[in-house]
This record gives sequence, structure tokens and C-alpha cells, in this order.
Amino acid sequence: ETGVTQSPTHLIKTRGQQVTLRCSSQSGHNTVSWYQQALGQGPQFIFQYYREEENGRGNFPPRFSGLQFPNYSSELNVNALELDDSALYLCASSSDIYTGELFFGEGSRLTVL
Amino acid sequence: QQQVKQSPQSLIVQKGGISIINCAYENTAFDYFPWYQQFPGKGPALLIAIRPDVSEKKEGRFTISFNKSAKQFSLHIMDSQPGDSATYFCAASITYPLSFGAGTTVTVRA
Repeated sequence: ETGVTQSPTHLIKTRGQQVTLRCSSQSGHNTVSWYQQALGQGPQFIFQYYREEENGRGNFPPRFSGLQFPNYSSELNVNALELDDSALYLCASSSDIYTGELFFGEGSRLTVL
Repeated sequence: QQQVKQSPQSLIVQKGGISIINCAYENTAFDYFPWYQQFPGKGPALLIAIRPDVSEKKEGRFTISFNKSAKQFSLHIMDSQPGDSATYFCAASITYPLSFGAGTTVTVRA
């Protein structure tokens, strides 16, 4: 059974650019959530996808968007990058939409210069 | 606003000692309270979780104590080992999403 995998592991962008982060969910999991973890802070919920539809969103602006594909993998897109977007972006999968039991990947470390 | 408040921010414990981390919440509708462990450069990993119908849950050296009336819950790490050195996050949810505390960095000295 493969766990949650994310790519890339590290990347550096400049302010105003766009970034796409990718996530493969754990085998058998149909729900994917994305979290932003700033340095020294707890993860903050960005949004959740279930069966290719966004079904929950945290307090993040529309320039944060996502996709979920038929194989339940997912992408997080961030447009018009700002310095404060520098963080670890975590993808988590779960076996259904209502469970709080999340399995996290190792994250993508984004640095915005 | 932070829905789950966690303390202390960091703690140091001797090998074999007990580590205690506390969390408080406001939303009485929360019905799931997990603890996650995170090592540097890794994602959080589920350690142990509790639902509000029980006051305590133990798994190995890790115990959650839950006080519904006080809206508080805590993690106890018994017989702390150097391998337990990590950042621990409490969280709470109503099914989803998880609201995380700010984290506690635990250092176990040999």
C-alpha cells in the first residue's frame, strides 16, 4: 500500500509567479485535502476535494485553486504568488469525506522570493 | 482565529520522564480530537485520537485525557525516549476539516 506522495519536494519562485503542486492519494482513498503550514505553525486548511469536486474551503483567497482527477490524485495551484505564500504545503488523503483521520504526505516546501 | 489553543510551545524532558501537552477548544460541536506527530522535513503522522464519549484513551506509551466540561484535552507521553523528540500537534474537527493547534516541540534528553 503506497502512502501519500507529493511533488516537487522543494521549489523556489518569485513574487507574482504561479505554481502547481501535485499529490497522489493513498491507495483506496477518495478524498484529498490541502493544508498550508507556515514555519513554526500548525497546518491551516485550504480546501478539500471529493470525487473531483471541491466540497470545503478554508480562509484562503481565490488565487488558491485545485483539481482532483478521476484517479483521486490532486493539484494545488497558486497564482500571483506573494511572499507570505512561503510555506510547507501538505496534502492529506482520507478514506471518505467525513472522516477526520487524515494521512499526510511529506509536503512541498515553497519559497517565494 | 485559532480554534484550538495548545501549550506549552516547547518542553524538554529527560529520558524516562513524562511529557504533557495541553489543548483547549471553544467549539462544543467538535467530535474528533486527534494528535499528530511531526519530525523535521516530514508530514504530520496520526499518533492517537479520541472522541468525546470517552475520557481517556491509551495506546502504548501515549495517552489522551479528555475533559469535556472544561473543553480541554491533553497528551501524555510516558517513559519518554529520544526518538519521541518531535513536534506534536493537537487538532479538532466536526467530521472535517481539522483545526490544528500551533504545535509543541518536545526534546527528550538522553
